[in-house]
Amino acid sequence: DAKTTQPTSMDCAEGRAANLPCNHSTISGNEYVYWYRQIHSQGPQYIIHGLKNNETNEMASLIITEDRKSSTLILPHATLRDTAVYYCIVSRIKAAGNKLTFGGGTRVLVKP
Amino acid sequence: EPEVTQTPSHQVTQMGQEVILRCVPISNHLYFYWYRQILGQKVEFLVSFYNNEISEKSEIFDDQFSVERPDGSNFTLKIRSTKLEDSAMYFCASSLTGLAYEQYFGPGTRLTVT
Repeated sequence: DAKTTQPTSMDCAEGRAANLPCNHSTISGNEYVYWYRQIHSQGPQYIIHGLKNNETNEMASLIITEDRKSSTLILPHATLRDTAVYYCIVSRIKAAGNKLTFGGGTRVLVKP
Repeated sequence: EPEVTQTPSHQVTQMGQEVILRCVPISNHLYFYWYRQILGQKVEFLVSFYNNEISEKSEIFDDQFSVERPDGSNFTLKIRSTKLEDSAMYFCASSLTGLAYEQYFGPGTRLTVT
């Protein structure tokens, strides 16, 4: 699975959009981009995924560049409860089950 | 909303003892996983399980570890002879299919080996 690079940490103001970048320059054609988050040592929580098109759900939007070498997760209106470590993961879908390889993630602190 | 549950929330054991960590995946899910996270470190994949067989395992998952689905609802991780370095948070996860994009994680069991 391709390696990802994320900033170690970032702050965000409550109510503002949080834009979390991820670099995955070695991504291959059949690999998806996933985002998960982990709030204070709880179990990781799925946020969103994409292959090459931009995606949006009730939690976030995912923007993937045309060359697929990087992506940005957007939390449109950050709240204090969005304070968490956010993980960008690149992985192939396999019928045998989808092993997730977590990196260090980005520690996001939402401030009032 | 259905959720993955894990018991106990915290387990303290002495080095060399066997422990069994229990998970109840979401009822219609077919794929099950164990991950662990040593304090302050990354979440690490241990094993995936489908159709009563291990489908993939990591280097961490050595002969001291085993998994089982003893009945239609539970999924267990056994560590035969615990070591100090097994102290970690252990997360169970499940997904509807192997191709499912979303894994649902439980709240974790904190294992402390003394």
